[in-house]
Amino acid sequence: QTVVTQEPSFAVSPGGTVTLTCGLSSGSVSTSYYPSWYQQTPGQAPRTLIYSTNTRSSGVPDRFSGSILGNKAALTITGAQADDESDYYCVLYMGSGANWVFGGGTKLTVL
Amino acid sequence: EVQLVESGGGLVQPGRSLRLSCTASGFTFGDYAMSWVRQAPGKGLEWVGFIRSKGYGGTTEYAASVKGRFSISRDDSKSIAYLQVNSLKTEDTAVYYCTRQPGAYRFDYWGQGTLVTVSS
Repeated sequence: QTVVTQEPSFAVSPGGTVTLTCGLSSGSVSTSYYPSWYQQTPGQAPRTLIYSTNTRSSGVPDRFSGSILGNKAALTITGAQADDESDYYCVLYMGSGANWVFGGGTKLTVL
Repeated sequence: EVQLVESGGGLVQPGRSLRLSCTASGFTFGDYAMSWVRQAPGKGLEWVGFIRSKGYGGTTEYAASVKGRFSISRDDSKSIAYLQVNSLKTEDTAVYYCTRQPGAYRFDYWGQGTLVTVSS
């Protein structure tokens, strides 16, 4: 069974830059997995940030960017702000049958 | 404005059934596939299943963890997607979100979710 891996937690200073990653327990993430990223604060619904590797969803500031770094998908936040403190989830498209598999999420702390 | 509103959650005993609804507004519902995603308390997101638009056959696919117990349907005349959950288990306790799919490979808008608690 394929597992999508994310760092459980990460910390960044206000104004700093952080890169969260999204990998596979076996194999490399490529654009063919159409990685997307979602932000979620406690008690709220997820918010779509990035889809198809690097396309920002409507209204998402350009501080958020997506890419492939090595064998993983990556979400980079530049100029981190206090309200970026959230859980971040990636999801990969595994094709018909398995469809979408979410990573376990990364809890980002801004301090 | 696109809105998705889930309803139908509640407290249910193990083995029982429930039907969740996702009522959409602000867009042409019939043009979009719709997915259901759940989140157990304190846990991450889990894709449950989706239904294609009628233009793509209106067919469904499910995660292995729910296949055979859950089913998704849609009523385009009412702009509602349904998630029928049968033979509920305690591990099905979660907030269930519906989400719109503007393409084959992404979700864009999300509802606020409806909580299903399975307990005796």
